[in-house]
Amino acid sequence: KAGVTQTPRYLIKTRGQQVTLSCSPISGHRSVSWYQQTPGQGLQFLFEYFSETQRNKGNFPGRFSGRQFSNSRSEMNVSTLELGDSALYLCASSLSGGGNEQFFGPGTRLTVL
Amino acid sequence: GESVGLHLPTLSVQEGDNSIINCAYSNSASDYFIWYKQESGKGPQFIIDIRSNMDKRQGQRVTVLLNKTVKHLSLQIAATQPGDSAVYFCAERGTNAGKSTFGDGTTLTVKP
Repeated sequence: KAGVTQTPRYLIKTRGQQVTLSCSPISGHRSVSWYQQTPGQGLQFLFEYFSETQRNKGNFPGRFSGRQFSNSRSEMNVSTLELGDSALYLCASSLSGGGNEQFFGPGTRLTVL
Repeated sequence: GESVGLHLPTLSVQEGDNSIINCAYSNSASDYFIWYKQESGKGPQFIIDIRSNMDKRQGQRVTVLLNKTVKHLSLQIAATQPGDSAVYFCAERGTNAGKSTFGDGTTLTVKP
């Protein structure tokens, strides 16, 4: 079974631009979560989607948004990019969210110049 | 608020020795505690988890211990191998696997 895939793997943007990252969960997984990983803040939870609905949200500004499609694929969008948004963005999927293991993708490395 | 933390940012061990990585947490309501391994260029990989009503769980070469009295979690790796070199994170969550709170990570280096 294929793992969680994320595209693109690397991205360079400039301040003020917006970016969309994509995540394809493991087949059959309906929960998709997004995390931001930086050297200073570590791994921080952004949001979780389940059956096309946002089920949980972390403490990030409204510039960070996401959505999930009927095939469980998910996208996250960051608008008006800031230098501090440079990070590794990780996507994780699980079967239903409750009591199940999360499987992480390799991440998208975003650099904001 | 909830938080998890690791006692040491780095740990260096000799190949074949046992490794112990520690973590302190603050949220007594957490339902699961999880250990992840992250190798360079990869996302975190699940190692083992333990439910809050347990105090010990064993896997292949790994053991997780949970002490709820002092809110302490540890990961023991037996006969540490060079392939175990990575960053290890502890995390906690409620019943929903979709939202986890991660600690800062311990970098384990295994010397041949």
